[in-house]
Amino acid sequence: SQTIHQWPATLVQPVGSPLSLECTVEGTSNPNLYWYRQAAGRGLQLLFYSVGIGQISSEVPQNLSASRPQDRQFILSSKKLLLSDSGFYLCAWSLGGGDSGNTIYFGEGSWLTVV
Amino acid sequence: SQQGEEDPQALSIQEGENATMNCSYKTSINNLQWYRQNSGRGLVHLILIRSNEREKHSGRLRVTLDTSKKSSSLLITASRAADTASYFCATYTGGFKTIFGAGTRLFVKA
Repeated sequence: SQTIHQWPATLVQPVGSPLSLECTVEGTSNPNLYWYRQAAGRGLQLLFYSVGIGQISSEVPQNLSASRPQDRQFILSSKKLLLSDSGFYLCAWSLGGGDSGNTIYFGEGSWLTVV
Repeated sequence: SQQGEEDPQALSIQEGENATMNCSYKTSINNLQWYRQNSGRGLVHLILIRSNEREKHSGRLRVTLDTSKKSSSLLITASRAADTASYFCATYTGGFKTIFGAGTRLFVKA
């Protein structure tokens, strides 16, 4: 069966510091990978998605970047965090359309507090 | 703006009652999905209904889809305290993106 791991679960970072959130998927090949951000009590904002190694699409211009160095690894980064980067970050995967209908499978999330 | 908008934003009911949440969307879709999120956790997929389907059941869940009105509803029957969570509708229009609404927060009182 497929699993998704995301870490760290919680982190508190000072303004201006770098960020690296990592996500790996097991049990499937060539998944679509996603990073979402969720503000407190709000819906999900799609930040980045990737359909293959080295292929990153950005949905929202911002202080963050994403990379996909391996087929099942997705990394969210920032060189200098802003207070507004605080939130709940969710990594996710899908197999695209077809039979699965692009059902999205989520990790457990990473709480980021920028202080 | 988001594709799916849930209504109500929050719902509080007694255990044993039915909970109904609605979702409206703007453009034609391939399918509509409902997800559940427990507080502080990732989202979990509940059910998917395709654009050519009108109703679907899964256990205590019943989902309807009206493409002419661009709306969907999620009914949870005989709710339990463990159903307390946020529920999101999400629309898939093709390609690689599934777009989520802002969610309905359901609180089931024991």
